Amino acid sequence: AQTVTQSQPEMSVQEAETVTLSCTYDTSESDYYLFWYKQPPSRQMILVIRQEAYKQQNATENRFSVNFQKAAKSFSLKISDSQLGDAAMYFCACFESGTYKYIFGTGTRLKVLA
Amino acid sequence: GAGVSQSPSNKVTEKGKDVELRCDPISGHTALYWYRQRLGQGLEFLIYFQGNSAPDKSGLPSDRFSAERTGESVSTLTIQRTQQEDSAVYLCASSRGTSGRFEQFFGPGTRLTVL
Repeated sequence: AQTVTQSQPEMSVQEAETVTLSCTYDTSESDYYLFWYKQPPSRQMILVIRQEAYKQQNATENRFSVNFQKAAKSFSLKISDSQLGDAAMYFCACFESGTYKYIFGTGTRLKVLA
Repeated sequence: GAGVSQSPSNKVTEKGKDVELRCDPISGHTALYWYRQRLGQGLEFLIYFQGNSAPDKSGLPSDRFSAERTGESVSTLTIQRTQQEDSAVYLCASSRGTSGRFEQFFGPGTRLTVL
């Protein structure tokens, strides 16, 4: 069964520092995509970054980057130079191309300390 | 519209009543998804549409839940005989297609409270 696990319910980081959010997943498919979404208190889900499983190179979007370890089924998110606006719930998700379903983790609440 | 819209934004109902939740996707988006998010939880995948077809309904929690989509436009999620455990935020998302390479755009959600 497809599962996504986020083992850190809450994380804190000082403004301007770097933080890493962990995610592991389980899938038997070879064609899948991985995502990190941000959900601020406004409830609006926003895509942060996406990784295609067939790509070895780690995705990067400005201050956000991932460490994709395919063999270990690990997909962590690194946020550099943290800003107060980064405070939100972060969800890791997996999309299996064979089932067209998205499976989300339970989320990590990130607090940014001034 | 500029983004995915959902209505109502909040709905309070009594146990046993039926409710209808609406999602208006971004124009031209053929794929549409419904999720349920219970308080403090992650998103639970309910159903997806490709056009007006829903190939897999196995994610719907019970036979009290149903969903329809008119063409490649509005979708409604109906919950019959609501129960207190149905209380949650229901999120809708749309994308240009059902491949993972297409970004999902989410609506603001409908918060359903069943008394």
